[in-house]
Amino acid sequence: EVQLVESGGGLVQPGGSLRLSCAGSGFTFRGYWMHWVRRDPGKGLVWVSRINNDGTSTDYADFVKGRFTISRGNTENTLYLQMTSLRTEDTAIYYCARGGGAPNFLDYWGQGILVTVSS
Amino acid sequence: DIQMTQSPSSLSASVGDRVTITCRASQGISGYLAWFQQKPGKAPKSLIYAASSLQSGVPSRFSGSESGTDFTLTISSLQPEDFAIYFCQQYKSSPPTFGGGTKVEMK
Repeated sequence: EVQLVESGGGLVQPGGSLRLSCAGSGFTFRGYWMHWVRRDPGKGLVWVSRINNDGTSTDYADFVKGRFTISRGNTENTLYLQMTSLRTEDTAIYYCARGGGAPNFLDYWGQGILVTVSS
Repeated sequence: DIQMTQSPSSLSASVGDRVTITCRASQGISGYLAWFQQKPGKAPKSLIYAASSLQSGVPSRFSGSESGTDFTLTISSLQPEDFAIYFCQQYKSSPPTFGGGTKVEMK
């Protein structure tokens, strides 16, 4: 069974940093692109970032470019999102998702982790 | 970016009802559309991919269709476990984008 489990969320002050992790199991982690998506409070889902299967290519939404860094450890089957210079508007539930079949088809998702940016 | 406009944002229905949810893409996406179900505190679950292909294990009361840039998710006979939020996702181009979601509530 494919499972994705996020961790590392919590409360952080504006300007602070946080690192999210997403542990994958039940599939060959190194064979898939991986994504981060967030749900802003009261709003819909917004794609944040993606990384290819071997970690050599990354993409970011404009609103996080230069502040967030996606990476992965294929040995430990874990996806990461390093978030710096956090803003109140980064408050959201963050989901990791697997790019299955087509790289942008998010076929399996984690249950999400809450990040709250507030003073 | 491709915009996905989903309607309605919410609906009330009874067990046994036929339910229809629509997503409209701002440009052609050649059927690269998926539908998901999400329950509170749970991971989104993929129901349909390629506009009309049912994911393994998903009940046959769920179906998807495509007409140009309009996509429809139909639940033929709503069951108690189907009360949830449903959203669409296009994966034709980057970035992947999502419909705003439809909350299916009990009437």
